[in-house]
Amino acid sequence: ETGVTQTPRHLVMGMTNKKSLKCEQHLGHNAMYWYKQSAKKPLELMFVYSLEERVENNSVPSRFSPECPNSSHLFLHLHTLQPEDSALYLCASSPTGQGTYNEQFFGPGTRLTVL
Amino acid sequence: GQNIDQPTEMTATEGAIVQINCTYQTSGFNGLFWYQQHAGEAPTFLSYNVLDGLEEKGRFSSFLSRSKGYSYLLLKELQMKDSASYLCAVMDSNYQLIWGAGTKLIIKP
Repeated sequence: ETGVTQTPRHLVMGMTNKKSLKCEQHLGHNAMYWYKQSAKKPLELMFVYSLEERVENNSVPSRFSPECPNSSHLFLHLHTLQPEDSALYLCASSPTGQGTYNEQFFGPGTRLTVL
Repeated sequence: GQNIDQPTEMTATEGAIVQINCTYQTSGFNGLFWYQQHAGEAPTFLSYNVLDGLEEKGRFSSFLSRSKGYSYLLLKELQMKDSASYLCAVMDSNYQLIWGAGTKLIIKP
């Protein structure tokens, strides 16, 4: 495996379900990100981890809970979601969490549908 | 507030040239990125500009004017595979990426 991988690619869940999204990067990067992408809207940054420590949380509802056990893996735990949470969830990684020219490498995303 | 503006959709003809504009208002500036995203796929890096001027990379070029808060992505010799969304993003003073909503480019034969 190379680059950034995400599983599952598609997920349908009810509002009372609990599920988790997984991201893995094989690039040796120190920072990882969760984004939400809704149709015709800008990418919304949800969480940033640098060296496994959360450095950014852009006022995301508590029904989304991130976990970063090591610099290669990132999870997004989902609980009691709402239909408006349906979107494409993208994971990205970058060499560092801050500093100039910090190109981000994206995974293919998880298409989430909340019924 | 911080804002990135780019057209929602553009249409161009195979073999032609198209210019996708991006204007921005951000708290500080540490560079501007262009990404390409095919439907159902990951965004992929195209270019990075931090100084004024034109950066050329094959059929793609990116221009930046910091004084005008303006950039464009120029695609030459368009191919059908260039049909995708093009995302403009600016790194602000906190090194956080502020994203535009993307421009969907449709290439017609």
